Amino acid sequence: DAGITQSPRHKVTETGTPVTLRCHQTENHRYMYWYRQDPGHGLRLIHYSYGVKDTDKGEVSDGYSVSRSKTEDFLLTLESATSSQTSVYFCAISVEGIGEQYFGPGTRLTVT
Amino acid sequence: QKEVEQDPGPLSVPEGAIVSLNCTYSNSAFQYFMWYRQYSRKGPELLMYTYSSGNKEDGRFTAQVDKSSKYISLFIRDSQPSDSATYLCAMSVKGGTASKLTFGTGTRLQVTL
Repeated sequence: DAGITQSPRHKVTETGTPVTLRCHQTENHRYMYWYRQDPGHGLRLIHYSYGVKDTDKGEVSDGYSVSRSKTEDFLLTLESATSSQTSVYFCAISVEGIGEQYFGPGTRLTVT
Repeated sequence: QKEVEQDPGPLSVPEGAIVSLNCTYSNSAFQYFMWYRQYSRKGPELLMYTYSSGNKEDGRFTAQVDKSSKYISLFIRDSQPSDSATYLCAMSVKGGTASKLTFGTGTRLQVTL
């Protein structure tokens, strides 16, 4: 988890409310990723960024948006949270656009 | 059918045993292969990273890739209780704007005293 922090670490919210999760890195890596982890599905890519203001969709992007205004910060927003978005969310970073990624500690989100 | 298949376990072994963890995959374009260890309520931690076929060793851990069979393995020698965790395989293709990893669902390992 070194060099990557996520906030908040835990959040409970109600259906229909907006939620923003933050990922902050001190490594100055170009690439950043948001995943969700669910039992039986493993880790699935939501969105990723390959530079400031450069983002693209992953496998499960519906209902999520992202923004990256600074190299160190990557925000994930649930515009209107639903119970199906209850999950553990992980941020990851990588130096290059290929190969290994390094993960943050995760945010546990519950939507009631 | 999932692109990456991994037996969820749990796998229970006594301390000191050799552990074999495996993943199979269907996409022949995968060229980068990784193993992550994840302790309960923690983020995945990179253990091993290999490119293409062959073996790679790091201490008690050996990663093996057989691209012809679309099969990767992680061997843990002299297993310790501290190795008890979920092990995730991950892989990606070369090219594109970023490394989009495809993960297995993970194998839960329990090393008993």
